[in-house]
Amino acid sequence: EAGVVQSPRYKIIEKKQPVAFWCNPISGHNTLYWYLQNLGQGPELLIRYENEEAVDDSQLPKDRFSAERLKGVDSTLKIQPAELGDSAVYLCASSSRLAAYNEQFFGPGTRLTVL
Amino acid sequence: GIQVEQSPPDLILQEGANSTLRCNFSDSVNNLQWFHQNPWGQLINLFYIPSGTKQNGRLSATTVATERYSLLYISSSQTTDSGVYFCAVVSNDYKLSFGAGTTVTVRA
Repeated sequence: EAGVVQSPRYKIIEKKQPVAFWCNPISGHNTLYWYLQNLGQGPELLIRYENEEAVDDSQLPKDRFSAERLKGVDSTLKIQPAELGDSAVYLCASSSRLAAYNEQFFGPGTRLTVL
Repeated sequence: GIQVEQSPPDLILQEGANSTLRCNFSDSVNNLQWFHQNPWGQLINLFYIPSGTKQNGRLSATTVATERYSLLYISSSQTTDSGVYFCAVVSNDYKLSFGAGTTVTVRA
């Protein structure tokens, strides 16, 4: 069974440029999460989707960050415009909703460097 | 939100040694997971253990939910065990709250 797929794995951009990350969750997992991991810290949740609905986006900086999961499967996270402080690893995770509070599985992440 | 504390922050082991990592959390939890983050940044699931004891090869974990802590045991450590070990918990809001991690270095 394939795991969570993310692309690109690495991205280097100049500040003020836009950038987008893509995630495909584990097949059958209808809950999808985007996390941000700064160097030396644990990941922090940005947004959680149940199918195509964003049910928790309280930690998403909405002035520059946006996300979508139009068909309830894969998802895109966008930053526009990027700032130097956005340099971090962006992780996608998924879990099944067959039962509450299920185990979450993470993709390999996208390492973003903003110059 | 729920607070997660991991100790020790850093651990240096000689190959073959045993060790215990600790995770304390500030409130009742519905989910607790242990992860190993390898040098390439991939978070690898070790245990899903909101309560009780589980074993997987040289690794085992115990969560005592009533006392709000979990322990991860590494036995006969190998160099491939090096990396950062994270404890993460879910309270009532479905999001994983992570500790700061324990960085383990196993020397040959």
